[in-house]
Amino acid sequence: EAQVTQNPRYLITVTGKKLTVTCSQNMNHEYMSWYRQDPGLGLRQIYYSMNVEVTDKGDVPEGYKVSRKEKRNFPLILESPSPNQTSLYFCASRPWGLRETQYFGPGTRLLVL
Amino acid sequence: TQLLEQSPQFLSIQEGENLTVYCNSSSVFSSLQWYRQEPGEGPVLLVTVVTGGEVKKLKRLTFQFGDARKDSSLHITAAQPGDTGLYLCAGKPNTGNQFYFGTGTSLTVIP
Repeated sequence: EAQVTQNPRYLITVTGKKLTVTCSQNMNHEYMSWYRQDPGLGLRQIYYSMNVEVTDKGDVPEGYKVSRKEKRNFPLILESPSPNQTSLYFCASRPWGLRETQYFGPGTRLLVL
Repeated sequence: TQLLEQSPQFLSIQEGENLTVYCNSSSVFSSLQWYRQEPGEGPVLLVTVVTGGEVKKLKRLTFQFGDARKDSSLHITAAQPGDTGLYLCAGKPNTGNQFYFGTGTSLTVIP
């Protein structure tokens, strides 16, 4: 089954404790993204990657890191989480092309105390 | 500042009524997409439009891309309770590779 998987789905952590949210897709898509969704603000792109070893900042990259060592994986790293990073995070992937569908993972709900 | 502004933000209507949701920008987009999101799930693509003036229909949903490719609308005819959800527009501007989402329209259809 074609899908985007994220882990963990729920995470409670404390300020300053490094964490990684994993994202994996099995559709051989070139383009992968991380978004955060906050009430009243919609989805905002954190980072995106157009292919292996190619990553770029989105709208809200501060406090986040990413890497794209393999085509299928695109982990999101919070080196020193802060309470303002409490949010719902989505990973997404798509092939390159104007009409191509962007597929979203199920989301990771993060609470930073 | 939001690149894509959606209106209205909230909409509550009776079953059988028609409605229109708007997605506006001052930027030109090479493509614009509409998504629907259920609580606790990721957004699911409904349609993609790429040509100025393009109209696409998906059963009772009609999507239109503005002639100048700066705005789009979603019209639902005879809304049903199953249409309840968060509707999001999203697009890739002509320059760059970022995707931008609108703030969303939360639709509730009352039986």
